[in-house]
Amino acid sequence: QSVLTQPPSVSTAPGQKVTISCSGSTSNIGKNFVSWYQQFPGTAPKLLLYNINQRPSGIPDRFSGSKSGTSATLDITGLQPGDEAIYYCGAWDSSLSAILFGGGTKLTVL
Amino acid sequence: EVRLVESGGVLVQPGGSLRLSCAASGFVFSDHYMGWVRQAPGQGLEWVGHIRDRANGYITQYAASVRDRFTISRDDSTNSLSLQMHSLKTEDTAVYFCVRVFRSQYFDSWGQGTLVTVSS
Repeated sequence: QSVLTQPPSVSTAPGQKVTISCSGSTSNIGKNFVSWYQQFPGTAPKLLLYNINQRPSGIPDRFSGSKSGTSATLDITGLQPGDEAIYYCGAWDSSLSAILFGGGTKLTVL
Repeated sequence: EVRLVESGGVLVQPGGSLRLSCAASGFVFSDHYMGWVRQAPGQGLEWVGHIRDRANGYITQYAASVRDRFTISRDDSTNSLSLQMHSLKTEDTAVYFCVRVFRSQYFDSWGQGTLVTVSS
């Protein structure tokens, strides 16, 4: 059971917007930066966002992030079939002295 | 281009030991924290641990599940990272990813992973 909580799955239609949530606590999301990762089946994860809403080079601005209190969200606009993947949030936990991941959210583009 | 290539994953019996290696290229290895993340079959991601760079004392940090059994080390002269695993358990079965770590905050580069199977 992950300390960071994500919905197991979300689905929406192409061209629409989806929001994936990540709920934590004051010791992780509440006081530290959040990162997001995208993983396609059989491949390594890829950094999608860091420091809540910063995009590495090559990540389109359809991907954005935000944080409020002890929760963070990943927004994806203009959904494409190629966005179907599992998305993980991550954050340092100051109490555990550990980097935590959420359980992952499988995105289906119907 | 950042490149991380893991090796060493095999089938090992419970209680056994194994050493994984990661060869890094395309960046100044000595300037970065490095670590390992694992993923059990069909499961999510789990941080294993990481080692800081020389400027930050090569300090290592580990997940509670592997502390006292796993050791991360690095050789800046050969741009290599290692994960020494002892007292392996069936629950250590996973794909192990070598990762570049930004200041204990996030993982900005990943290797392709190497599979470790712990089974009798």
